[in-house]
Amino acid sequence: DVKVTQSSRYLVKRTGEKVFLECVQDMDHENMFWYRQDPGLGLRLIYFSYDVKMKEKGDIPEGYSVSREKKERFSLILESASTNQTSMYLCASSFSSGLSYEQYFGPGTRLTVT
Amino acid sequence: AQSVAQPEDQVNVAEGNPLTVKCTYSVSGNPYLFWYVQYPNRGLQFLLKYITGDNLVKGSYGFEAEFNKSQTSFHLKKPSALVSDSALYFCAVRDIRDNNDMRFGAGTRLTVKP
Repeated sequence: DVKVTQSSRYLVKRTGEKVFLECVQDMDHENMFWYRQDPGLGLRLIYFSYDVKMKEKGDIPEGYSVSREKKERFSLILESASTNQTSMYLCASSFSSGLSYEQYFGPGTRLTVT
Repeated sequence: AQSVAQPEDQVNVAEGNPLTVKCTYSVSGNPYLFWYVQYPNRGLQFLLKYITGDNLVKGSYGFEAEFNKSQTSFHLKKPSALVSDSALYFCAVRDIRDNNDMRFGAGTRLTVKP
C-alpha cells in the first residue's frame, strides 16, 4: 500500500511565525504536491515537484515556499504565517508516467494561525 | 487549461436508494478523470479513474462512474447507498498532455440517511 505521511495532524501557530509542514512518501513517486483545502473552494495547488530539487508554482504560491532535497520528502514552508493561511493542508504524490496517474494523499494537517 | 464542475454542493439520499454525484469537465485534449472520497478529518482516498477503454468504470466500495465524452461528464453512481457512504466527494481531471496538472472540483457532500 502506498503511504503518504504528514508530520502533524493539527498545528496552531502565531502570526509571523515560520511554519514547516513535512510530507514523506514510501512509493518512490517522482511527483509530489502540496494543496490547501478550504470549504467551497475544493483543493488548490500551492506547489509541486517532479524531481529532487525541482519545484513548480501552482495556483496560489504566494506566502509559501517548498523544499525537496530527497525524493521521498517534500516540505512546505510558510515564511511568515498569517491568519489567512489557516486551512487544511494536503500532501500528495504520484508517478510521472505509466497508467497509474492517480495521486495518493496524506491525512492532512489542519493549521490554525492566531 | 482543464477545469471541473460539481454542480451540487450537497446530495441527500435515503439508505438503499441509488445515488448519483455529478461531475462535468473541460479539457483541451483527452481527459484522465478521477473520483476521490474524503471522510471527516482525513485525506483524500482514491475511488476510481477513467484513463481509456470502457466508458463504465468500476471502483472501490461498489462505486462506478460513466465517462460520457459528448456531454463531458463523469458522474459517480452507486446502485444502493449506505449510511457509511456519507462523505465529501471530489471529481478531478487531468489533460493527458500535462503530466502534473490535476484539477479538482469544489466537492459534493453526500449524506445518506437511514
